[in-house]
Amino acid sequence: SYVLTQPPSVSVAPGQTARITCGGNNIGSKSVHWYQQKPGQAPVLVVYDDSDRPSGIPERFSGSNSGNTATLTISRVEAGDEADYYCQVWDSSSDHYVFGTGTKVTVL
Amino acid sequence: QVQLVQSGAEVKKPGASVKVSCKASGYTFTSYGISWVRQAPGQGLEWMGWISAYNGNTNYAQKLQGRVTMTTDTSTSTAYMELRSLRSDDTAVYYCARRAYSSSSFVDYWGQGTLVTVSS
Repeated sequence: SYVLTQPPSVSVAPGQTARITCGGNNIGSKSVHWYQQKPGQAPVLVVYDDSDRPSGIPERFSGSNSGNTATLTISRVEAGDEADYYCQVWDSSSDHYVFGTGTKVTVL
Repeated sequence: QVQLVQSGAEVKKPGASVKVSCKASGYTFTSYGISWVRQAPGQGLEWMGWISAYNGNTNYAQKLQGRVTMTTDTSTSTAYMELRSLRSDDTAVYYCARRAYSSSSFVDYWGQGTLVTVSS
């Protein structure tokens, strides 16, 4: 089955840029979606289709996808961005979802 | 506004069954599917499967085949997830989420989650 690998943790100072990677075999051929999950809360969609943002999500959140790596970029990081982030792809042949392993973002 | 409201926490013994409900509002229920995702304590997200609210078609994760059943009641805009033969490693928060489509598929709104604890 398809595997998505994320770094367990990323640390970033306020005001700096956080980059969270999601690795998968030829992931660039798939659409990647990203979710933010704060402690004790349900996940929230922050980026879909590689780089689109749902309404209400700040422009500071952006995404890219090429080759074997997709990336979620958080610019001008704020304390409120501290959360777990998960990537997700859709396997069209099986109509199954695959989630990444998750990355904990810590704001220093 | 779109809302998914789930039933309350459950405590079950090993071997028992649990049925979690998810009541949708703020959109046309039959125009979207409902996915179910679970999260064991301190762990990541695990996709369990989904159901079309339009025609009731389902698609389950391989590891849960035979133990899980997803249904809907269109008269009340409610989705249900039943898990049978519960084991301790089924202890998790269970989420329902609305399935969205583009050129791909993802979930755009989530329920608040339902904690299911399996313990003797």
